[in-house]
Amino acid sequence: QKEVEQDPGPLSVPEGAIVSLNCTYSNSAFQYFMWYRQYSRKGPELLMYTYSSGNKEDGRFTAQVDKSSKYISLFIRDSQPSDSATYLCAMSEVSFNKFYFGSGTKLNVKP
Amino acid sequence: DAGITQSPRHKVTETGTPVTLRCHQTENHRYMYWYRQDPGHGLRLIHYSYGVKDTDKGEVSDGYSVSRSKTEDFLLTLESATSSQTSVYFCAISESIGARQGRNTEAFFGQGTRLTVV
Repeated sequence: QKEVEQDPGPLSVPEGAIVSLNCTYSNSAFQYFMWYRQYSRKGPELLMYTYSSGNKEDGRFTAQVDKSSKYISLFIRDSQPSDSATYLCAMSEVSFNKFYFGSGTKLNVKP
Repeated sequence: DAGITQSPRHKVTETGTPVTLRCHQTENHRYMYWYRQDPGHGLRLIHYSYGVKDTDKGEVSDGYSVSRSKTEDFLLTLESATSSQTSVYFCAISESIGARQGRNTEAFFGQGTRLTVV
């Protein structure tokens, strides 16, 4: 079993829709949770960063962490065609700079 | 953007030849990583470094070696390239633990090297 599981999609939505992207994990020691966005033929770029449980909002993006369920989510409101990309979740433990990535979900927002 | 440069950006090589990929950073970050990205597998850690001359294996290290003689440079070597090593390779960096008020820090990625082994 992989440490981090992520539905690969692809996920296709109309412009303006609310998008929900999710990851599950098995390691209860994970404390840091990240979402990366990767455009085609580019490197991943950090989108959101959350420590422990709770929510974090940044513009149209909201990251949620539910440690009791070992489940994290990224919500995108008012999705735009420019949001079309692959979204990767990543996690790490406290005091250990090693990152575990999901396989990525490919999102397509149609105009 | 974090100062990370990967070279070359594209390479085609023949099976059995040695190949070295270079990652150069200007951020003075302690940790450096090499990942490979393949369809259906996401990002998989090959090797990482937690300081000059300090390296360790990741989950897919067979067939790869690394070296870090300076803080800013992390080299990935395929000793004898095989077709299964055709992939996109990403270098990443992160700060040391506690560098930012006791928090762990995120990884920043380079633009990738597309390697084809024929």
